[in-house]
Amino acid sequence: ITLKESGPTLVKPTQTLTLTCTFSGFSLSTSGVGVGWIRQPPGKALEWLALIYWNDDKRYSPSLKSRLTITQDTPKNQVVLTLTNINPVDTATYFCAHTSLVDRGPIPDYWGQGTLVTVSS
Amino acid sequence: DIQMTQSPSTLSAFVGDRVTITCRASQSISSWLAWYQQKPGKAPKLLIHKASSLESGVPSRFSGSGSGTEFSLTISSLQPDDFATYYCQQYNSYSLTFGPGTKVDIK
Repeated sequence: ITLKESGPTLVKPTQTLTLTCTFSGFSLSTSGVGVGWIRQPPGKALEWLALIYWNDDKRYSPSLKSRLTITQDTPKNQVVLTLTNINPVDTATYFCAHTSLVDRGPIPDYWGQGTLVTVSS
Repeated sequence: DIQMTQSPSTLSAFVGDRVTITCRASQSISSWLAWYQQKPGKAPKLLIHKASSLESGVPSRFSGSGSGTEFSLTISSLQPDDFATYYCQQYNSYSLTFGPGTKVDIK
């Protein structure tokens, strides 16, 4: 199982950030499988953002729910995260990760390498 | 929302020491707790799930315990490769929450 995040490295304030997670070694059409997003501001703790399951059930961080959207493109093996009205506090490394309700529950077990997004004008 | 706290925030120890990190939840999460290890510039690595289930390939010097609101991660004999930051994460609720982390460094 591998995952890789892609997207812009620099975003201007108020813009919308769109990140893509491209994965291999599993399918989002498999029952119990999910892909989530987690971020980490420089030098700070991990923050869970969102999760989408094989059945298109979606979960969001309550504090960011109004700004986040997670979608899947199953044939392309991709999950897309959008974050609207971005601002400098959103500067972080963004990770995507695999989950399996069958194996361990909704926790990230396989992670991508992460992509650093800087918000600055 | 379920809030997670960890103590201590930083822990200085010698190689060979037994170290314990505590994680507390703001409400009962049964045993729905995971522990991760993260090294600088790397993605977190899952160590333990369901409070005490060790992931395949994780050394047996790592162990987890607890239920309800109080949990711990113990490293029985600290090794040079163990110097890292450790995070707990609850998955009892609709949304998941990480703790603030505990950095384990060399004394």
